[in-house]
Amino acid sequence: ELKVEQNPLFLSMQEGKNYTIYCNYSTTSDRLYWYRQDPGKSLESLFVLLSNGAVKQEGRLMASLDTKARLSTLHITAAVHDLSATYFCAVSNFGNEKLTFGTGTRLTIIP
Amino acid sequence: NAGVMQNPRHLVRRRGQEARLRCSPMKGHSHVYWYRQLPEEGLKFMVYLQKENIIDESGMPKERFSAEFPKEGPSILRIQQVVRGDSAAYFCASSPFPVASTNEKLFFGSGTQLSVL
Repeated sequence: ELKVEQNPLFLSMQEGKNYTIYCNYSTTSDRLYWYRQDPGKSLESLFVLLSNGAVKQEGRLMASLDTKARLSTLHITAAVHDLSATYFCAVSNFGNEKLTFGTGTRLTIIP
Repeated sequence: NAGVMQNPRHLVRRRGQEARLRCSPMKGHSHVYWYRQLPEEGLKFMVYLQKENIIDESGMPKERFSAEFPKEGPSILRIQQVVRGDSAAYFCASSPFPVASTNEKLFFGSGTQLSVL
């Protein structure tokens, strides 16, 4: 059974600082997703990573994938308050439509 | 192009009643996915449907839960004889093609918060 773990679960950081959220998964997978969720809202797709070594960047967020280590990272650069949200990674197995989500990382940016 | 529309946003039911959750996918999307989110947890897959067909219902409880996606109209997730443990946020997502084979991403609706009293 595919398991997805994120850490940390909670993260408070000051504006302007850098930090990284980690996503480990238990079996081989062909794709990894990062989503953002604001309280009471839906999930917003941030990145889809499809191959080993894939790196994608959007604004202050950068995601990377190491399929050998079964690890993805979401790096936040010079955090701003607007980035406060819960971030989820999700993984799917080859040919399987089902996404398995991590438990999420609740990120709070402190002014 | 409107996003994935779910209604109602909030639904309150007493134990033993039925809950019907509706999802209208984005225009042109014929693939619908339902996920459930318990408080402080990630989303859990329930069911994947294409028009008029259930493709994968491996995440659906065997009893009381059913889903459909008719040729016309929204997808419906139906929960019969609700219990307190059914209280959760239910999210629907859609895509134009199967995500596993086409590298498509999922577009999520705003969810229905079901509260069972």
